[in-house]
Amino acid sequence: QSVLTQPPSASGTPGQRVTISCSGSNSNIGSNTVNWYQQFPGTAPSLLIYTDNQRPSGVPDRFSGSKSGTSASLAISGLQSEDEADYYCAAWDDRFHGPVFGGGTRLTVV
Amino acid sequence: QVQLQESGPGLVKPSETLSLLCTVSGGSISGYYWNWIRQYPGKGLEYIGYFDYSQTTHYNPSLKSRVSISVDTSKNQLSLLLSSVTTADTALYYCARGFGTVAAGLFDYWGRGSLVTVSS
Repeated sequence: QSVLTQPPSASGTPGQRVTISCSGSNSNIGSNTVNWYQQFPGTAPSLLIYTDNQRPSGVPDRFSGSKSGTSASLAISGLQSEDEADYYCAAWDDRFHGPVFGGGTRLTVV
Repeated sequence: QVQLQESGPGLVKPSETLSLLCTVSGGSISGYYWNWIRQYPGKGLEYIGYFDYSQTTHYNPSLKSRVSISVDTSKNQLSLLLSSVTTADTALYYCARGFGTVAAGLFDYWGRGSLVTVSS
């Protein structure tokens, strides 16, 4: 059981905009920044969004992050087939004194 | 280019100690904090712990009594020991470099992972 809650799956068609939600609590998302990781099959996760809404160099601006209260969202616009992957949210948890993760959302481009 | 490579036995018997190494190449181990994260077969990620640049360690409270993380700067290696393993410890174990403040929880480089199966 993950500390942060994400939908197990999401889907969209090419060109569409999809959002993935991440719900937490006051001890994590409510008081700390949120990061998002992207993971392709057979590879390690890679940083996609950090500090709620910042993109590392090389990440397309089709990916964006937002946060409100104890929830965060990842939005992907202009969906492409290569966006098919698992997406994880993460945040520091003040009670746990460490980072906590969401259970991951598998994105399918149909 | 920084690269991380995990190594260790792929099979560990129940009640024994899991031991993994992470070798860092292409960059110094100093100045960052170093983490172990595991991923269960069903895909969930779980934070195990870290060793930071002030030689402070922090462990997942649920594993604290069984886990030890250390860094050998002379060898550019990070190690993980997890004792009294059970089948619930079967997972893919990643080492990852943390940057920025520890509380930012940012991991920029990851190893490819080391699959550990606990079975008799």
